[in-house]
Amino acid sequence: AQSVSQHNHHVILSEAASLELGCNYSYGGTVNLFWYVQYPGQHLQLLLKYFSGDPLVKGIKGFEAEFIKSKFSFNLRKPSVQWSDTAEYFCAVLDTASKLTFGTGTRLQVTL
Amino acid sequence: DTGVSQDPRHKITKRGQNVTFRCDPISEHNRLYWYRQTLGQGPEFLTYFQNEAQLEKSRLLSDRFSAERPKGSFSTLEIQRTEQGDSAMYLCASTSWDRGRGYTFGSGTRLTVV
Repeated sequence: AQSVSQHNHHVILSEAASLELGCNYSYGGTVNLFWYVQYPGQHLQLLLKYFSGDPLVKGIKGFEAEFIKSKFSFNLRKPSVQWSDTAEYFCAVLDTASKLTFGTGTRLQVTL
Repeated sequence: DTGVSQDPRHKITKRGQNVTFRCDPISEHNRLYWYRQTLGQGPEFLTYFQNEAQLEKSRLLSDRFSAERPKGSFSTLEIQRTEQGDSAMYLCASTSWDRGRGYTFGSGTRLTVV
């Protein structure tokens, strides 16, 4: 069965700091990976996705993620965070039935 | 594209009561999913439909839970004889046959069982 691990449960950064959130997956099939963001009081929104091709994926709001097959990783990065990036971030893997399996999430707090 | 709508937004019920939630997906999406999210956890898959057919149910979905999607449009999730452990956010998501689009999630229904 597929699984996703997010080891950083709570991250606190100052504005303008660089961000990297870890995501490791376990899945035996073709890997399709996602990052979702949940801003306070809002619904889950898609940040970016990887299906095939270039392993460096660019998403909305300046986020990017790199798929490293040998490390089973799909880490999320942003060079300079803003206060408005305060949210919870979820990594997810898609299986052949199009079911998403999510990690436990990382709560990002950006301070001014 | 009006998004995925869920109703109600909040539901407080007494233990033992039945509750029903509704999800209206994006109209052209043929797949509809239900997830449950508890505090400090990511969403967990419950069940999904392709059109009106329920194709898979998680082991998390006990016999007290039932979901329907008549006519392949809106869906309902019913929980019978609610327990305190059912307290969670229930999320609905929909997607089209093109999996590359990813899911669109609703805002969820927060259930509190007292």
